[in-house]
Formats: sequence, structure tokens, C-alpha cells
Amino acid sequence: DQQVKQNSPSLSVQEGRISILNCDYTNSMFDYFLWYKKYPAEGPTFLISISSIKDKNEDGRFTVFLNKSAKHLSLHIVPSQPGDSAVYFCTGKSTFGDGTTLTVKP
Amino acid sequence: ETGVTQSPTHLIKTRGQQVTLRCSSQSGHNTVSWYQQALGQGPQFIFQYYREEENGRGNFPPRFSGLQFPNYSSELNVNALELDDSALYLCASSLFRGAQETQYFGPGTRLLVL
Repeated sequence: DQQVKQNSPSLSVQEGRISILNCDYTNSMFDYFLWYKKYPAEGPTFLISISSIKDKNEDGRFTVFLNKSAKHLSLHIVPSQPGDSAVYFCTGKSTFGDGTTLTVKP
Repeated sequence: ETGVTQSPTHLIKTRGQQVTLRCSSQSGHNTVSWYQQALGQGPQFIFQYYREEENGRGNFPPRFSGLQFPNYSSELNVNALELDDSALYLCASSLFRGAQETQYFGPGTRLLVL
């Protein structure tokens, strides 16, 4: 049973537009979520987090939204840049989703 | 400040052999976690060490074992290698062991079992 699911393996957007990456979870015990970004041949790097007591956290171009009743998170990147092209992982309590590969086209 | 380093970067072993992977934590971090990432999947939690004691374990068999040393560096040992053990092994360090702690990952060791 996969407790964190990222149902879109890939996403392609145009530079300057919004990227929306989605994540669903099943474990109600998860009270803190993190997003990591991974470039090829590198380890994941922390991007942004959110506590379950909040429904939104913003850091520059990155915003994470949490809908606890739906057990759903989304990561918004605005505006998207070619350097954002990477694999994005959603995590809860050391449980990772399978990632979404974002490609931002110039 | 030194980041998380792992060695070796690549490794080829044959089925049935044993392997040891090494990780040096980021300076000042006392917690280390190991993950296995198969192709096309997300990292799967193997176990975590906090101040030299195992502090949680994922769904991996006992042939996956680890150590953490007084300087907080760590080893992952895998005995009786199987073909399905072929994966990228990631080490991550953090300052505390809480679920809310940001983890800092090394570049990984890519293991191929033939």
C-alpha cells in the first residue's frame, strides 16, 4: 500500500507559466510534509515544507497547499523557469512518492 | 560546512556477495537515514540511526544492517545480495530525528547486482 502517491509521472510546462504538482496521501498520522527536488546524479534537495496545522506555505516562487480533508497536497511554481526542470518528490514521515518529472520548456 | 558524502559512487557485485556502503554526515548532524531508490520509484526508507542507535526501520529484511559511528558517519551493509538489490542507495543526515526535520542527502551509491 503506497501511502504517498504522485499520480502524474511527468509534467511539461512553458517557461513563465505555472507548474502544479500534485500529491495524495493515505496516512492520517502524517502531520508534516516536505517537497524535495532531484537533479540527475545528485541527491534530493529540500525545497519547501508544510505542517498539518497550516493550509499554505509560501517561499518565493514556490507555494505548497495542503487540503487535509482530501489528504491532498499541491506544489505551485510561479513563474516556472528552465532550471526548475527536475524530479519532484512529496514526502510524509520518510515516506516518499514516486516523483513527478517536471520539464520547463524555454 | 561539508555536505553529505557517500562512497563509492558506483559498485558492481554478483548475487550472493556482501556489500558495504559508506556515508559521512553533514557537519553537526547526529542522525542518518538510508534509502533505496529503484529505477522509476521514489526513495524507500531502510532505517535511521540516531547517536549510534537504530531509531526506526522500514520494510527491509535483516540482511540489510547498519552502523553509526561516534563521529556520526554511517555504513549500510547488505548480505546475500539479490538481483533486486540493484538500486541507488541514498544517505541523508539531519540534526534531529523528528519527522519534521529536513534531511540533507548525499549523491548516492549506485549498486548493480549481476
